[in-house]
Parts: sequence; structure tokens; C-alpha cells
Amino acid sequence: LAKTTQPISMDSYEGQEVNITCSHNNIATNDYITWYQQFPSQGPRFIIQGYKTKVTNEVASLFIPADRKSSTLSLPRVSLSDTAVYYCLVVPSYYGNNRLAFGKGNQVVVIP
Amino acid sequence: NAGVTQTPKFRVLKTGQSMTLLCAQDMNHEYMYWYRQDPGMGLRLIHYSVGEGTTAKGEVPDGYNVSRLKKQNFLLGLESAAPSQTSVYFCASSAMRDTQYFGPGTRLTVL
Repeated sequence: LAKTTQPISMDSYEGQEVNITCSHNNIATNDYITWYQQFPSQGPRFIIQGYKTKVTNEVASLFIPADRKSSTLSLPRVSLSDTAVYYCLVVPSYYGNNRLAFGKGNQVVVIP
Repeated sequence: NAGVTQTPKFRVLKTGQSMTLLCAQDMNHEYMYWYRQDPGMGLRLIHYSVGEGTTAKGEVPDGYNVSRLKKQNFLLGLESAAPSQTSVYFCASSAMRDTQYFGPGTRLTVL
């Protein structure tokens, strides 16, 4: 099982930068890392993906160290609408043996 | 372009009853997935399909069956519902190993 581990929850004040970490010690060579956001009563939606180093898009940045055993999602200047559960998912090169598995996610609460 | 749709949105079953959840996607995606989500447990993969006519077991397949007779549809069946299957069920699709697009979910309660 390509397991991921994240903190259960974290709080942040509006306007701050939020960094959410994910541990994926068993990541394999051809696996890549994706992050999803989920609001209550909705399905998750894709935020960002990467293989190594740094990736940035219009909503977030993803930092992946050289050993790729962890990753950090960075949300710049969060607002109340960023309150959600954030999941990291390691996408394996093949799906057998339960290698595709979301973790339990990280509940981020943005405080005014 | 509706994306991924799920039918029904809500359902209440009695123990032992059967039902089928329907997932449809209009993005011509090869891969489709069924997940269940329980409080504090995150998303757990039930079954998935990598193409029309194929299905495979995920992390928690017991008590569920699936079929992918058409590329755009992925059906999840409960033959004899149990209270432990009370959950929110999400369907998703993707173009191969690419981004997964999720449906709005089905909230199922088994009494």
C-alpha cells in the first residue's frame, strides 16, 4: 500500500500562507504526487501535481524534496473559502496491490 | 459538459436490500473509480476500472460488485446491504493515470 500520512488538522489565520505536509515513504520511481481539496458535501477536486522539485499554478505551490519521501502543499494568503480537507495522493505507475490510496486528509480551518 | 454524475443523490435502505449506484461520465475517460468516505477515514477505494469491460478490486471491495459494460458508465452494486455500508459514495473518472474528476456523491443510509 502506497500509504500517505498527513496531520489530522490545522488552523490558520486569514491572509497567512499555509503549508500542508504529506509523508509518502514508500513512493516508487515512477509514482507522482497529486493534491486534492474537498469542501463539505462535495467531491474532491484536483489542485496540483508534481514529480520532483517545485511546481506552481494559479492557486498553490507544491514542494518535493530530492528524496521524494514527502511533499508540501503551500497555499498563499488563505481566505475563509480555503477551509477544506486537503488530501495528498501518490499516483502509482500501476494500480494493483492497493497501491492507489488516498490518506485521511488534513482538515484546514481558516480563522478570520 | 456535465462531467461526472451520480444517481441517486440520497438513498435509505433496510438491511438485506439491494441497490445499484450509477456513475456516468461524458469526458471519454478510460479509468473510473468508486470510493467510500466515512468520518475520519478519508477516501477508500472500493473498485476501479481501467477500461470498458474491466474491473479490479480496491482497498475495501467486500460486499460490493461493479460492472463497466459501457465506457461512460460504472455501476456499483450492493447485493445485501448492511449497516456498515452506510457511507457517502463517490465516483471518479480519469484519463489513464491523470487527474481524477469526482462526482457529487451519493449518501447511503442502511437501517
